[in-house]
Amino acid sequence: EADIYQTPRYLVIGTGKKITLECSQTMGHDKMYWYQQDPGMELHLIHYSYGVNSTEKGDLSSESTVSRIRTEHFPLTLESARPSHTSQYLCASSEVLAGGPGTRNEQFFGPGTRLTVL
Amino acid sequence: AQSVAQPEDQVNVAEGNPLTVKCTYSVSGNPYLFWYVQYPNRGLQFLLKYITGDNLVKGSYGFEAEFNKSQTSFHLKKPSALVSDSALYFCAVRESGNTPLVFGKGTRLSVIA
Repeated sequence: EADIYQTPRYLVIGTGKKITLECSQTMGHDKMYWYQQDPGMELHLIHYSYGVNSTEKGDLSSESTVSRIRTEHFPLTLESARPSHTSQYLCASSEVLAGGPGTRNEQFFGPGTRLTVL
Repeated sequence: AQSVAQPEDQVNVAEGNPLTVKCTYSVSGNPYLFWYVQYPNRGLQFLLKYITGDNLVKGSYGFEAEFNKSQTSFHLKKPSALVSDSALYFCAVRESGNTPLVFGKGTRLSVIA
């Protein structure tokens, strides 16, 4: 079944640890995104990718990094976690219709990873 | 630059009554508008979108939205609210170009039995 997956769903970790949040999609989408969201609050775009070997920074300054080596995989890494990184991280993907403008397509979201840094 | 405003942080409505969640947008070209819903501890679920054509768009779970170009609005509506509709609702816009969606701040809908 085509879907978008995020692991882990919940993570509690100590300050200074390196962590990687995983995001995979089986929909063959070219575009992928990472958003940061405090509980019940607005979404902030932190990274996105148009395809393999493409990564862009979003609107919110972030100390995280991303990579896009494979179409289906878009991991987000924090080299040294801090309490200020405590938040929910949402991954999304979308496709460009062949011949279409690319602006039409909705983004599909994963279930999110709730990160707590102690 | 494109932007979206959701003027209400919270909307309360009695079960069975009609509901409206407001959204206004600002883009330089033609807007592509979306509504998403988020339940607690979940990701966002797509509800509906306006691309072109009829100004009234029907989506999932009985929701609909009306595109009003003159008022630059895209309000979400449902004729009869259910308690299970209680959630956080996000409006989003994308204008021409290969850019990510821009989201509003969200509106929390509470439907009271």
